[in-house]
Amino acid sequence: EADIYQTPRYLVIGTGKKITLECSQTMGHDKMYWYQQDPGMELHLIHYSYGVNSTEKGDLSSESTVSRIRTEHFPLTLESARPSHTSQYLCASSEEGDGYTFGSGTRLTVV
Amino acid sequence: AQKVTQAQTEISVVEKEDVTLDCVYETRDTTYYLFWYKQPPSGELVFLIRRNSFDEQNEISGRYSWNFQKSTSSFNFTITASQVVDSAVYFCALSGPFNSGNTPLVFGKGTRLSVIA
Repeated sequence: EADIYQTPRYLVIGTGKKITLECSQTMGHDKMYWYQQDPGMELHLIHYSYGVNSTEKGDLSSESTVSRIRTEHFPLTLESARPSHTSQYLCASSEEGDGYTFGSGTRLTVV
Repeated sequence: AQKVTQAQTEISVVEKEDVTLDCVYETRDTTYYLFWYKQPPSGELVFLIRRNSFDEQNEISGRYSWNFQKSTSSFNFTITASQVVDSAVYFCALSGPFNSGNTPLVFGKGTRLSVIA
């Protein structure tokens, strides 16, 4: 079944640690996105990609980085986590005519 | 620039009441898509509906209905006979134009709906 997977589902990590949030999709979609959702609910676009080796920053400035070496994989990395990074991170993919598919999200807590 | 406004931050209703969630959008594109998503406490985003800018027909799906009016740039969502399971955060979103393919979704700030038994 075509889907989009995010791991881990929950993560509690100490300040200063490096972390990578994984996002993979099996639909062959060229376009992928990362959204950050703060505890106040609002969703902010932080990164997107329109294909392999293409990455762009979103509307919200983020200290995270992304890579797109394979179509199906769009990981997000925080080099040094801080409490201000505590959020839910949602990954999505899309293809014209297919709409947008979202993963289940990663809830990150930095202590 | 695109913008979506959901003026209602939180709404509480008693079970079986009807409730309407408002969504107003701004875009300079002549072609665009509008969406509604539901986010239950588990956190995932559940797709509810997509409308394109050419299709102003109202849509009904069970207890859910949507009213799209280009004249007022609104895409409102009504739940009839609300149930406790409808309690969630609801997001309205916008993308466009068509000739750019799927652009990143622009979300409103969400409306938290609480349905009380």
